[in-house]
This record gives sequence, C-alpha cells and structure tokens, in this order.
Amino acid sequence: GENVEQHPSTLSVQEGDSAVIKCTYSDSASNYFPWYKQELGKRPQLIIDIRSNVGEKKDQRIAVTLNKTAKHFSLHITETQPEDSAVYFCAAIPASGGSYIPTFGRGTSLIVHP
Amino acid sequence: GAGVSQTPSNKVTEKGKYVELRCDPISGHTALYWYRQSLGQGPEFLIYFQGTGAADDSGLPNDRFFAVRPEGSVSTLKIQRTERGDSAVYLCASSPGGVLKNIQYFGAGTRLSVL
Repeated sequence: GENVEQHPSTLSVQEGDSAVIKCTYSDSASNYFPWYKQELGKRPQLIIDIRSNVGEKKDQRIAVTLNKTAKHFSLHITETQPEDSAVYFCAAIPASGGSYIPTFGRGTSLIVHP
Repeated sequence: GAGVSQTPSNKVTEKGKYVELRCDPISGHTALYWYRQSLGQGPEFLIYFQGTGAADDSGLPNDRFFAVRPEGSVSTLKIQRTERGDSAVYLCASSPGGVLKNIQYFGAGTRLSVL
C-alpha cells in the first residue's frame, strides 16, 4: 500500500518568513495530492491540491510543487502570518481502484511567532 | 450551504460499552469516508461508502467496528465492546463524485474517550 512520509513534524518561524513542508510517497499510482490545514479542535480544511499532470500550483501565499520522478511534493507558504499557525497534513491518493482513499502524512505543526 | 456535520462532538463512554457516531454529509455527495485520528497523527482510513454500499472497509481494525449508510446519505459508525485504545477523534468526510471525486470535505469530528 501507499506510504506517505512528512517532514518536519514541527516548524517554528517568525512572522513574514517562509515555511516549507515536504512529503514523499511510495506508490507511483498516486496522482492527486491535497494539503489540509487543521487548527486545534477544528476540521481539516483543504487549502491547495495538485494533480500529477502539473509540477507546480500557486494560490496567493501558498504553493505546492510536485516531482513525480522523485515521488515528493512540498507545500510552500510565503510571508507567514500568525493565523497560519496550525497542523498541516499532506496526502496521496491513487487514481486506480475507484475508491480514492487518501494516505495522510503524520502532520506538521507550524508555529508562526508574531 | 451546510458542511459535513458530525454528532456528538464529544462522547465519553466506559470500557465495554457500545457507541454510535453519526455523520451527515453535504447534500448530494455520493461518497462518504470514515477516518480515525489519534493525537499527533494524520487521519487513518476506516471505511468508504459509495451510495449505500460499503465499497471498501479494509481500514476497519476488527469486527467490533461496523458502519452503515442505509439511504445513501447519513452514516453511522458503530463500535461494540469499546476499548481504551479506541479513544481518538473519528472524522467523517464526503465527496461529490464526478470530476471532483478526489476532493473530500471533512466534518469537525467526534472525540471519543473510553474510560
């Protein structure tokens, strides 16, 4: 089955700095890679996603890059703000089988200091 | 519109008891997923419904766990003879299907505590 590794587990930055979170996956059949933000006690919310037919996607201060050959993808947050503080999860979802079951990383706790 | 709703938000029970956790998906979403999230971990897949049928239940840890979705909308996750190790947040997600079939919208979860 799929295995997703996520690093770092904790990331502490100053407001205004950039933050990068990296994930690797093992199953070459995975073709959809969403990123979720989960604030304490709240539901995971989709913030950005990327499909395997593109290498990069950007939405304002956040961007995701994908390297299919190396089987890794990264989340980039620029000009971080205190409200970006949360746990971020990456996931990999296969195209085959029809069930679209994601395998999640263990999460990265991002702390943005004002 | 309303998002995915899960009730109760918190459930405290004693070891050995039976519990039911409810999920109301977004109206019209055909796919429904249940996950378990332990502290410091990502969501772990339990079971997936497409319509009324359980299309994939490979994530259920043992036969104490069961889920239903009789009318293709609301789903109930049932746990028999609860154990302390069952304590976790149980998340539900729904997906619209079609070209958006990969995208899942999560509920806020039910925090289950087994004493």
